[in-house]
Amino acid sequence: EIVLTQSPGTLSLSPGERATLSCRASQSVSSSYLAWYQQKPGQAPRLLIYGASSRATGIPDRFSGSGSGTDFTLTISRLEPEDFAVYYCQQYGSSPRAFGGGTKVEIK
Amino acid sequence: EVQLVQSGAEVKKPGESLKISCKGSGYSFTSYWIGWVRQMPGKGLEWMGIIYPGDSDTRYSPSFQGQVTISADKSISTAYLQWSSLKASDTAMYYCARHLGGSGSSFPDYWGQGTLVTVSS
Repeated sequence: EIVLTQSPGTLSLSPGERATLSCRASQSVSSSYLAWYQQKPGQAPRLLIYGASSRATGIPDRFSGSGSGTDFTLTISRLEPEDFAVYYCQQYGSSPRAFGGGTKVEIK
Repeated sequence: EVQLVQSGAEVKKPGESLKISCKGSGYSFTSYWIGWVRQMPGKGLEWMGIIYPGDSDTRYSPSFQGQVTISADKSISTAYLQWSSLKASDTAMYYCARHLGGSGSSFPDYWGQGTLVTVSS
């Protein structure tokens, strides 16, 4: 079973700054089957990135994903006020399709 | 427009049974896997399992195998999550999610609004 570790647990940044979120897998994620989700308080998660680097429909291009194997990164180039939320990675190349523990991006 | 509409919040006692639902619309319900994700209060997301409504093929996370039952009624485009005997530790928000991709490599792309299940004596 693949375990995903996200870091940091909390990221304190100001609007306009760049956010870099890490997701590390305990084993290689096959075919870069890794997705990123955003969740705001009281809302369902929203798909941002799949296949490690493909943006989902309607996702702004300030969100980008990269990585392969065991190390993956979500980058938000310039934080907008609506980007402050919790972000989760998920691998879907093997069962169970585990999620990481999440990174909270908060306003500094 | 793809929509997943879940049933309303539930308050149950330990030992009771429960079945919550998720109705899909705006897409071919029988052509996509649909699954469930648990979020305990203040915690992260946990993938529970998926079902392919076209043939009822079902896959569970080992953590939830035997603890819940996932089913679907393709005639009414609805998926279900069922417990036979609830525990206090089942208190959580449960999300259904359409999954994009094949049986071994699908991921949630559209999510329901969530169903809050509270189990308390």
